[in-house]
Amino acid sequence: EAGVVQSPRYKIIEKKQPVAFWCNPISGHNTLYWYRQNLGQGPELLIRYENEEAVDDSQLPKDRFSAERLKGVDSTLKIQPAELGDSAVYLCASSSRLAGVYEQYFGPGTRLTVT
Amino acid sequence: GEDVEQSLFLSVREGDSSVINCTYTDSSSTYLYWYKQEPGAGLQLLTYIFSNMDMKQDQRLTVLLNKKDKHLSLRIADTQTGDSAIYFCAVPSYGGSQGNLIFGKGTKLSVKP
Repeated sequence: EAGVVQSPRYKIIEKKQPVAFWCNPISGHNTLYWYRQNLGQGPELLIRYENEEAVDDSQLPKDRFSAERLKGVDSTLKIQPAELGDSAVYLCASSSRLAGVYEQYFGPGTRLTVT
Repeated sequence: GEDVEQSLFLSVREGDSSVINCTYTDSSSTYLYWYKQEPGAGLQLLTYIFSNMDMKQDQRLTVLLNKKDKHLSLRIADTQTGDSAIYFCAVPSYGGSQGNLIFGKGTKLSVKP
């Protein structure tokens, strides 16, 4: 079984430029998450999808961040314009719910550097 | 909001047991999780425990839960150099979906040969 796929793995951009990250979850997983992980910190949830619906985006900075999950499968996270403080690793995860347990499977992440 | 605290570093010798501790503030969680992150990789789910359990054992891993003190620990028996990684405790966010996890800052485990 293929894991969660993310691309690109690394991205370096100048501030004020746009950037997009792509995620392909594990087949059959209805729930998709985007996290941001700053250096030396644990992941912080940005947005959670149930199928194609964003059910929790309270931590997403909506002035510059946007996300979509078309057809309830792949997802794209976009930042426009990027700021220096956006440098972090952006992790995508997916899960299915079994008896109340959310086993989240993470992709390798996209390391973003904003200069 | 929910707060999850972990010590940042732990160093052990190969073959010893490692104990990684975690405290959390909320008591409405049903499942509590331990994840492992190796350099340059995403997080890998190691194990989880249901909140009505005190202990769960899975091969070399033992999870202990003290619900009264809101304390969770992960014990790794016979620690190997391949266990060197960052370990994260994660609990569902208070008042939110059980799928919305709050992660600690992670404990970096270093295993010396």
